[in-house]
Amino acid sequence: GNSVTQMEGPVTLSEEAFLTINCTYTATGYPSLFWYVQYPGEGLQLLLKATKADDKGSNKGFEATYRKETTSFHLEKGSVQVSDSAVYFCARKLTGGGNKLTFGTGTQLKVEL
Amino acid sequence: EAGVTQFPSHSVIEKGQTVTLRCDPISGHDNLYWYRRVMGKEIKFLLHFVKESKQDESGMPNNRFLAERTGGTYSTLKVQPAELEDSGVYFCASSQDRAPDHTEAFFGQGTRLTVV
Repeated sequence: GNSVTQMEGPVTLSEEAFLTINCTYTATGYPSLFWYVQYPGEGLQLLLKATKADDKGSNKGFEATYRKETTSFHLEKGSVQVSDSAVYFCARKLTGGGNKLTFGTGTQLKVEL
Repeated sequence: EAGVTQFPSHSVIEKGQTVTLRCDPISGHDNLYWYRRVMGKEIKFLLHFVKESKQDESGMPNNRFLAERTGGTYSTLKVQPAELEDSGVYFCASSQDRAPDHTEAFFGQGTRLTVV
């Protein structure tokens, strides 16, 4: 079936550590891929996206590359900050599917000093 | 410009009661979506309005859930009667256009519903 699988949390890192949150997807066709972030007390915000294979989405120091061969869209950041503490959701949208998104379970990130 | 607004932010009700959640989309956004996240699981699609019409309601869990968008502006999601498994965070999102692909969907803060 069509789904999104992301690594379970919580993930706890020290400030300036390297972050990877894995995300893989299954889909027929060529989905668009997204990372959303939910900071404490706030709604979901789009962090970055990629709409075709080999595209790299980037924002606020975060990056993710659309890998069709491995059906992955892993989120990375070279040096995390305390302010990056949040829940991160990987999501897929099928072409022509409007904004009907399929989300992963979310990964809670806690960054400590 | 105001973002997507949801009311209330939190609601605690007893099993069997009725609760109505409200979503005010961004002005001018024809598309409105409801999603739900239950207890640390994935965020699941519930339904999609285009203006006042239900475009896709394939994610609605059962007939205890009723969504409306009269006049194509704000939307309500009523749960009647509420059950324990309805507890979770209900998100609303809106986006502007349809073709060739939708623009970014903007999400509200969510309504945390607790059924006791």
